Amino acid sequence: ETGVTQTPRHLVMGMTNKKSLKCEQHLGHNAMYWYKQSAKKPLELMFVYNFKEQTENNSVPSRFSPECPNSSHLFLHLHTLQPEDSALYLCASSPTRDGANEKLFFGSGTQLSVL
Amino acid sequence: AQTVTQSQPEMSVQEAETVTLSCTYDTSESNYYLFWYKQPPSRQMILVIRQEAYKQQNATENRFSVNFQKAAKSFSLKISDSQLGDTAMYFCAFIIQGAQKLVFGQGTRLTINP
Repeated sequence: ETGVTQTPRHLVMGMTNKKSLKCEQHLGHNAMYWYKQSAKKPLELMFVYNFKEQTENNSVPSRFSPECPNSSHLFLHLHTLQPEDSALYLCASSPTRDGANEKLFFGSGTQLSVL
Repeated sequence: AQTVTQSQPEMSVQEAETVTLSCTYDTSESNYYLFWYKQPPSRQMILVIRQEAYKQQNATENRFSVNFQKAAKSFSLKISDSQLGDTAMYFCAFIIQGAQKLVFGQGTRLTINP
């Protein structure tokens, strides 16, 4: 148990569906991240939130919509996804957004399949 | 562009052997930090070891150590006395001082055989 919990663990959705991924951290951290892990590709940073404010959007398509209502919760709202969006979506947190000096704590991810 | 290359997609060794995973990176920055993360079948990424680029001394964490060659932009991970629980994907990554974006390699799948 690392203190970062992601739900659901698996998700299958059609291209016209709307779904949400949830991440919750119990570590008292102020920064939260969404990463995408596709098969045979490096992990890609998607979004960074620091004290609930979005501080980085790594050119992510608008069909992915993040939400951070407080420092403990992070959502990723999905709509009209494409099959190439199928991937493992990992959430992480750290005390602050100073990724160089701090360890990232990751959740176990949501394995998403888009049909 | 900032990139990380892990040239070994898969490796396999016997339990108790020593194994070295290679990693090279490319950046024009001089202040950065390097990491090795482990991702076991549970999918949860776990930090294995961290190295500050300004430090010449190689980092060590118990059975894990690195060989950091800054001029060559090389950052290999050595696992001594390998154990079955070391079976996992291993990712090399770096981050520029002051940045938020951790740049990852494609990973090396390591299997420790009994």
